[in-house]
Amino acid sequence: AQSVTQPDIHITVSEGASLELRCNYSYGATPYLFWYVQSPGQGLQLLLKYFSGDTLVQGIKGFEAEFKRSQSSFNLRKPSVHWSDAAEYFCAVGAESGYSTLTFGKGTMLLVSP
Amino acid sequence: SQTIHQWPATLVQPVGSPLSLECTVEGTSNPNLYWYRQAAGRGLQLLFYSVGIGQISSEVPQNLSASRPQDRQFILSSKKLLLSDSGFYLCAWSLGGPQETQYFGPGTRLLVL
Repeated sequence: AQSVTQPDIHITVSEGASLELRCNYSYGATPYLFWYVQSPGQGLQLLLKYFSGDTLVQGIKGFEAEFKRSQSSFNLRKPSVHWSDAAEYFCAVGAESGYSTLTFGKGTMLLVSP
Repeated sequence: SQTIHQWPATLVQPVGSPLSLECTVEGTSNPNLYWYRQAAGRGLQLLFYSVGIGQISSEVPQNLSASRPQDRQFILSSKKLLLSDSGFYLCAWSLGGPQETQYFGPGTRLLVL
């Protein structure tokens, strides 16, 4: 069965600094990978996804992620963080099981300091 | 465009009382539907998913059940709530296929006292 690990529970970044959130997955075949963001008390919003093609994926709000098969990673990056980026970020992997069920990581809470 | 609604937004219920949470989707037909529970520090746990009316798959054994009486309606229920049922419940929909994005509703916060 597939699994997702987000090793950082909390990360604090200064506003304007760069950001990288880590995600490692476990899955035998080519995975479908997603990053979602959740503001407090809200639902989840898709930032970006990867399922084939270019391994560097561009998303909304200036985020990007790079799929590295050799490292089983799909890290999320942003060159300059804004205070409004403070939220919880979830990495997820989907399986070719016939149904589009997702397995989520436990999330990384991003705090942005002034 | 598609929208997804959940209600109520917040619910406080005593232990042993019944539960009914509703989720409806607009603007699409025959979606896959999902119920997740989110507890602090534990990420999202998939509870149920449905690929069609009356078709429910349960991911984990629990005190909850789900039903899909109409194409775009998904209901989460319990006959008797437990303290451990407290959490943030999210409904989501997607089109078929593992590469499809799941779109989430605003969630229901349930507190069982």
